[in-house]
Amino acid sequence: AQTVTQSQPEMSVQEAETVTLSCTYDTSESDYYLFWYKQPPSRQMILVIRQEAYKQQNATENRFSVNFQKAAKSFSLKISDSQLGDAAMYFCAYRRRTGANSKLTFGKGITLSVRP
Amino acid sequence: NAGVTQTPKFQVLKTGQSMTLQCAQDMNHEYMSWYRQDPGMGLRLIHYSVGAGITDQGEVPNGYNVSRSTTEDFPLRLLSAAPSQTSVYFCASSYWDSSDYGYTFGSGTRLTVV
Repeated sequence: AQTVTQSQPEMSVQEAETVTLSCTYDTSESDYYLFWYKQPPSRQMILVIRQEAYKQQNATENRFSVNFQKAAKSFSLKISDSQLGDAAMYFCAYRRRTGANSKLTFGKGITLSVRP
Repeated sequence: NAGVTQTPKFQVLKTGQSMTLQCAQDMNHEYMSWYRQDPGMGLRLIHYSVGAGITDQGEVPNGYNVSRSTTEDFPLRLLSAAPSQTSVYFCASSYWDSSDYGYTFGSGTRLTVV
């Protein structure tokens, strides 16, 4: 079974600084997707960034980028130029690419606070 | 607007009562699922469906029933609510073919069982 581990329950960053959120996962599959979701106080789940395992190039979306290390099964999220609106809970998630078991498996999440 | 609609947004139940959380999507997604979110536990899969008439259990299915009679709807039933079912519930849907790999989430239901 696939597992996703986020070992840091909380992190804090100064506004305009850079922060990295860590995530590791375990799978025997070779073809899968990895995601970072943001959950602000509104409770809505917002997709931040996604990475296909077969792509070696790290995904980037504006201020958000990932460091994907397939061999190490590591998938960290870097937030540059942190803004107050980035304060939220962030979840790392895994999904097998195809098949009947292509469920989304989440880590336990990390609460990010941004200091003005 | 297209998306996943969950109702109700909030609910308080007494122990032993039953209720159904509604979930509907209008994107013709084959795959639908229910998650519960508890502090420090992330989101855990309760049940999922890969199409009308097909459902299966996830990680934490006990105390919950589902059915999928249409592509659009995937209700979650609590037959006899327990305080341990106090949680935030999310419905999510996606296409079966992961070439479109995005999940769309509903806005969640906060359920309190007293």
